[in-house]
Amino acid sequence: DAGVTQSPTHLIKTRGQQVTLRCSPISGHKSVSWYQQVLGQGPQFIFQYYEKEERGRGNFPDRFSARQFPNYSSELNVNALLLGDSALYLCASSSASGHYEQYFGPGTRLTVT
Amino acid sequence: GQNIDQPTEMTATEGAIVQINCTYQTSGFNGLFWYQQHAGEAPTFLSYNVLDGLEEKGRFSSFLSRSKGYSYLLLKELQMKDSASYLCAVRDQDQAGTALIFGKGTTLSVSS
Repeated sequence: DAGVTQSPTHLIKTRGQQVTLRCSPISGHKSVSWYQQVLGQGPQFIFQYYEKEERGRGNFPDRFSARQFPNYSSELNVNALLLGDSALYLCASSSASGHYEQYFGPGTRLTVT
Repeated sequence: GQNIDQPTEMTATEGAIVQINCTYQTSGFNGLFWYQQHAGEAPTFLSYNVLDGLEEKGRFSSFLSRSKGYSYLLLKELQMKDSASYLCAVRDQDQAGTALIFGKGTTLSVSS
């Protein structure tokens, strides 16, 4: 069975640009969460979606937005990129909201120059 | 506030036993997770504790004391491949259904 997939693997953007990151959860998983991991730190929670509805939002500015599609895949959008947005963006899926462990995808490495 | 503390770095030798501690202060609690993360890779799930006590899974064990806000991950018969970052994470019931609050991670270096 395929695990969580994310695209693209790597991305280089310029300050002020916009970026869209994509995630496909494990088949049968309806919950998707997004995390930002800066080098040397633990992942920081950005968003959680379950059944296409936002279930939680971390302490991130409104430049960050996300959505979940009917097939449970998800997109994370970041507008007006800043240098500080450079990080590994991780997507995780779980089988049900409020239960079980999260399975992480390989991540998208975003570099903002 | 939300706070999860774990040591920044630890070193050990092959075949030894190492214990990685984690203390947490969160507004809610709905389970504690340990993940392993090799450099440049995604975190992989190791263990889950929601009740007090010890959970054993092969060479890895995890302990939880909810009254003390304390957990540890015990790694036995260390191997070189165990060199990685170990992340302690708490599911905060108040924040979202499955959102995890992570510590900064403990980098474990295993030498021969």
